[in-house]
Amino acid sequence: QSALTQIASVSGSPGQSITISCIGTSSDIGNYNAVAWLQQHPGKAPKLIIFDVNNRPSGVSNRFSGSKSGNTASLTISGLQAEDEADYYCTSYTSTTEPVVFGGGTRLNVL
Amino acid sequence: QIQLVESGGGVVQPGRSLRLSCGASGFSFSSYSMYWVRQAPGKGLEWVAAISYDGLDKFYPDSVKGRLTISRDNSKNTLSLLITSLRPEDTAVYFCVGAGLYCGSGRCWWGQGALVTVSS
Repeated sequence: QSALTQIASVSGSPGQSITISCIGTSSDIGNYNAVAWLQQHPGKAPKLIIFDVNNRPSGVSNRFSGSKSGNTASLTISGLQAEDEADYYCTSYTSTTEPVVFGGGTRLNVL
Repeated sequence: QIQLVESGGGVVQPGRSLRLSCGASGFSFSSYSMYWVRQAPGKGLEWVAAISYDGLDKFYPDSVKGRLTISRDNSKNTLSLLITSLRPEDTAVYFCVGAGLYCGSGRCWWGQGALVTVSS
C-alpha cells in the first residue's frame, strides 16, 4: 500500500482539462513544499514534470501545473492531448526515516 | 547531458544472486545521493535502496533489508545493487536514480531501467 493516495485512473477527451489528486499527511505533503509529479509512458522511465509543488522543468509544457492545499497535492493537465496518455505518480519528502513517499499512480486515458 | 545507464538485468533462477550496475555521466556523481527504485510488472514505484554521496550511509526498506546491498565507486562514477536469495516477487524493472527521489529543486535523474526476471 502506497503512502500517498491517488485515484487509480482518470479519463478525459482531447482539449479538456483534468486534475489528479494526491492525498498525504502532515508528515509529508501537509508540511513540506517538496512534492513532485512524474509522468511515465509504457515501457519508459519516469519523467519529471512538476517539482516543488508547482514548478516545471525546462522543456515541460505549460499545460501541466501543480498545486497544494493542506495534505493534498494536485496535478492539472489542460488542453489534453493524445500524448498525455500515461501513468502519473506523485512523490513527496517525508519526515519519517524513508527517503521519499510515492503515490500508487494514476493512469490517464485520453479518449 | 546527464545520463544514467543500468546494466546487469536478465532472467535468474530463484535463490540465486544478481548484481546490477549503473554508470553515471554528465554530473558530479560524487556529490549526490543515489537510489534504486523498482517497478514490478503493472505496479507502482518502490524505492529499495539508498546511499549517501560518500557511500558511508545506506538505507533499505524493511521489505528488502538483508537481501539487497547498495554500493558505489565514486572513482568510476558507478552505482551497484547486489540482490541475493532472489524471489519471484523481485521480478521488476530496476531504475537507478540520482540526486533525490522527491526531486527537490528539480534535481532527480532516472536511468532507463534494467529488467530482472526471477523464474525457474
